[in-house]
Amino acid sequence: GAGVSQSPSNKVTEKGKDVELRCDPISGHTALYWYRQSLGQGLEFLIYFQGNSAPDKSGLPSDRFSAERTGGSVSTLTIQRTQQEDSAVYLCASSPPQGVQVEQFFGPGTRLTVL
Amino acid sequence: AQSVTQLGSHVSVSEGALVLLRCNYSSSVPPYLFWYVQYPNQGLQLLLKYTSAATLVKGINGFEAEFKKSETSFHLTKPSAHMSDAAEYFCAVRGGSEKLVFGKGTKLTVNP
Repeated sequence: GAGVSQSPSNKVTEKGKDVELRCDPISGHTALYWYRQSLGQGLEFLIYFQGNSAPDKSGLPSDRFSAERTGGSVSTLTIQRTQQEDSAVYLCASSPPQGVQVEQFFGPGTRLTVL
Repeated sequence: AQSVTQLGSHVSVSEGALVLLRCNYSSSVPPYLFWYVQYPNQGLQLLLKYTSAATLVKGINGFEAEFKKSETSFHLTKPSAHMSDAAEYFCAVRGGSEKLVFGKGTKLTVNP
């Protein structure tokens, strides 16, 4: 079946511009996660959704970062006034409603480059 | 709080040799542990997971890992490396919250 999809696959933007990154989770998966992968910081958790609610947004690095999820499906991560340190690969993952031991299924990521 | 330490950011082995990638974890609650593999320009793929059912866990592509509570370790092994195993490997822990906490990763090179 279809996996987690993310768009765009690559995004190049200028410093100060806003960007939106999209994630389509696997159908039926109620949990959705955003992570960031960068050379200096490795893989970092950003935010977790259960349905349309975000009970854990502790990883968002600043108030320039926000995310929403609608219809218990698609999620959008928005970065306002992008900075060069925002350059990274943004990974989305989803998991079914079966408890904490289940794996998270990852998408291919969006590579963001801020010039 | 949870944390993961992967010893060795780069590991190089010969084709057919044993692969051993080290992972130590810290968790204040009984952990769930995962190994993921990432091929260039791709997302993360689950290799195997420990969920307290059995301490020796077998995964895909011939990999396995053993959970050792006394050593707080979850090392990944494969008896015989194949060229296609060249990738980056991440150990992750999940405990007490929904998020995964990842190690820094180990890049595996397989030499012919």
